[in-house]
Order: sequence, then C-alpha cells, then structure tokens
Amino acid sequence: AQSVTQLGSHVSVSEGALVLLRCNYSSSVPPYLFWYVQYPNQGLQLLLKYTTGATLVKGINGFEAEFKKSETSFHLTKPSAHMSDAAEYFCAVSEIGDDKIIFGKGTRLHILP
Amino acid sequence: SQTIHQWPATLVQPVGSPLSLECTVEGTSNPNLYWYRQAAGRGLQLLFYSVGIGQISSEVPQNLSASRPQDRQFILSSKKLLLSDSGFYLCAWATAGLLSGYTFGSGTRLTVV
Repeated sequence: AQSVTQLGSHVSVSEGALVLLRCNYSSSVPPYLFWYVQYPNQGLQLLLKYTTGATLVKGINGFEAEFKKSETSFHLTKPSAHMSDAAEYFCAVSEIGDDKIIFGKGTRLHILP
Repeated sequence: SQTIHQWPATLVQPVGSPLSLECTVEGTSNPNLYWYRQAAGRGLQLLFYSVGIGQISSEVPQNLSASRPQDRQFILSSKKLLLSDSGFYLCAWATAGLLSGYTFGSGTRLTVV
C-alpha cells in the first residue's frame, strides 16, 4: 500500500529565502504525486502534479517539485518566499487504477518578515 | 467548467442532534466523490468515497454515513452527533483514474456543543 511522509510539521523561512518542503512516498508501482495548499478555513487547492513524463513539474505561485524515483521523493521548492505563501501544504500519492489519493500529514509553512 | 458546491460553510449543532451536509458537482458526469474530515492536528482523514450512484465505500467505522442519491450529489449524515464529530469537513471530486487529482470544495466547519 502506498504512503506519504512529510518531514517537518512546521517549517519557517524568511521572506525572500528558499522554500523547501520535503516529501517521501512509498509505492509499489509508478505513482501519481501531488502537492496541495490549504489556506485557513478553506479547501485544498492543487499546486502541481506529476503523472508521467518530465520529472520536474512547475505549478502555480512559482512552486515546483521534482520526482526522484531513486530517492522516492517529491520535494516542493520555491526560490523566494512571499508572505502570501504562509499556509499548510500537503503531499499526496496515488497509483494507477486507484480510486483514492493518500495524503501526508501536512507541513505548515511560516514566513518570517 | 466544473464546479463543486459544499454547504453550509459553518454549523454549530448540539450533541445528539442529526447532521446533513451536502455536496454537489456541476459540469461533469459520473465523478468520483469523497468526504474528508480534518480535526485539529490530525491531518486529512478519508471518511467515505463513491465511484457511482448508490456505491459507497466507508474507510473508518464511525458515527457517520454517506449517500449518493444522484450522480453529482454526495451527502454526509449522522443520526446523533458526538462531540468528537467536530471538525472541518471537506468534499472533493475527481475523474476516474485520478489523473487530475482531486478538486475540493470550500469546506464546512462543524462544531458540536
């Protein structure tokens, strides 16, 4: 069965600094991988996804993630943090033929002025 | 374009009262539908999902039930609410195969008092 581990329930970065949110997954077959963002009292919004093809995927708001099969990782990055990036981020995985997506426990990103 | 509607946005209910949360999707046919709950510090918990009318899969035994009376309507219910049912409830839809991931509704904040 697939699973997702997000390292760090809270991450703090200074405004303008690099954002790096770590995600490792476990899957017995090639996975579909997702990052979602959630602002307070709102639903989750898809940031980006990897299904097949190019392993570096770009998403909304300047975020990108790289699928590394050898490391079973899908870390989320952004070169320069903005105050508006403060939110909770969820990494998620599914497998071809699945009916549901498995979510990590989430990482709350704090942006320091 | 597809849209998902979830209501109400907030709800305060006494212990022992019934519950009915509704979710509808527009602009697509035969979607997969999902109910999730977020409790403080516990991440996203999948409660129910449905791949078709009348087909409900329950992920965890609990005080809740779900129904899908129409193709694009998903209802979460309880006959008698418990304090532990408090949380943020999210509805989501996806196409079969999950290639595009989930699209989430805006959520319902339920407080049981």
